[in-house]
Amino acid sequence: GAGVSQSPSNKVTEKGKDVELRCDPISGHTALYWYRQSLGQGLEFLIYFQGNSAPDKSGLPSDRFSAERTGGSVSTLTIQRTQQEDSAVYLCASSLGLAGEEEQYFGPGTRLTVT
Amino acid sequence: KNEVEQSPQNLTAQEGEFITINCSYSVGISALHWLQQHPGGGIVSLFMLSSGKKKHGRLIATINIQEKHSSLHITASHPRDSAVYICAVGGSQGNLIFGKGTKLSVKP
Repeated sequence: GAGVSQSPSNKVTEKGKDVELRCDPISGHTALYWYRQSLGQGLEFLIYFQGNSAPDKSGLPSDRFSAERTGGSVSTLTIQRTQQEDSAVYLCASSLGLAGEEEQYFGPGTRLTVT
Repeated sequence: KNEVEQSPQNLTAQEGEFITINCSYSVGISALHWLQQHPGGGIVSLFMLSSGKKKHGRLIATINIQEKHSSLHITASHPRDSAVYICAVGGSQGNLIFGKGTKLSVKP
């Protein structure tokens, strides 16, 4: 079956512009996660959804970052007024339940470059 | 101190060698994950375990809950095993806490 998909695969934007990243999880997966991986760095948790609710937003780096999920399916991560330090690969993952209890399936990521 | 520590950070092995990557954690967990990230960037979940041992092909993962330690073993290593191996623990908030990864290079 279809895995987790993300779009766009690459995004180059100018500093100060807003960007929207999309994640389509595996059908039926209630949990959806957003992570960030900066160049040469490890994975950083940003936010997760259980259904349409985000119980923990503390991982978002600043108030320029926001995320939503509708219909328990597609999620969008929005970065407003992008900065160069936002350049990274943004990864989405989904699972049947919470990450602590279920295997996670990762999307291919969106490579964001802020110039 | 990081909540999830991996060692070694980098590992170079000859094809056929037995490889061990270690992961120690300091938080209470519900499960531990081993992930593999290939040079192209894609991440694949290898194992999720909360006790004992799991085996898949040439890969074996073990966890000792009392000692808060897990190991990932690769038997008869092959150049295609070259990747970054990441340990992550499931926190009580439902998120994952990641180690910094171990970069493995297997030479032919």
